[in-house]
Amino acid sequence: EDQVTQSPEALRLQEGESSSLNCSYTVSGLRGLFWYRQDPGKGPEFLFTLYSAGEEKEKERLKATLTKKESFLHITAPKPEDSATYLCAVQERSGGGADGLTFGKGTHLIIQP
Amino acid sequence: DGGITQSPKYLFRKEGQNVTLSCEQNLNHDAMYWYRQDPGQGLRLIYYSQIVNDFQKGDIAEGYSVSREKKESFPLTVTSAQKNPTAFYLCASSSTGDYGYTFGSGTRLTVV
Repeated sequence: EDQVTQSPEALRLQEGESSSLNCSYTVSGLRGLFWYRQDPGKGPEFLFTLYSAGEEKEKERLKATLTKKESFLHITAPKPEDSATYLCAVQERSGGGADGLTFGKGTHLIIQP
Repeated sequence: DGGITQSPKYLFRKEGQNVTLSCEQNLNHDAMYWYRQDPGQGLRLIYYSQIVNDFQKGDIAEGYSVSREKKESFPLTVTSAQKNPTAFYLCASSSTGDYGYTFGSGTRLTVV
């Protein structure tokens, strides 16, 4: 069974203090790993998809990386508006069964001014 | 602008009642999904549909039902058989070959 574990559960940083969020996964065959941002009371907003180990993607202050067992979301010099819950999800490469994403529980990030 | 519209934003259900959550998309996406989100838990898949008039159960389908009569619409009914329906419900869609999911803004269902 797919499993996605995110750490830490919560993280409080000062503005400008860089850090990384972790997403470890176990899946028989990875089709894709996704990062989303979710603000309170809203739906998740798509950030990145990573398909293979060694792949990296960047968007503003965010950079996502992927290995065979985990993904990191690096946040460089964060601002208060980066405060949100960051969700990781995996999609298994399979010929049948559920086609949906398996989500981790998320990391609640707070950036203090 | 293209997107997914969920309604209502807030919904209250009495014990023994069935309620239906609406999900409409104008992205021309083939696949649509329903997820449930509870505090401290990840999103869990309820039902998904990859084509009109066809849908599949997800991990927690018991107590829920869906229909897919039109490509644009994928309503979710929470039946009285669902014993713990209070949660945040999210609808999503994706296009075949496109691995990015677009989510709606969610419906918060509360049992009163």
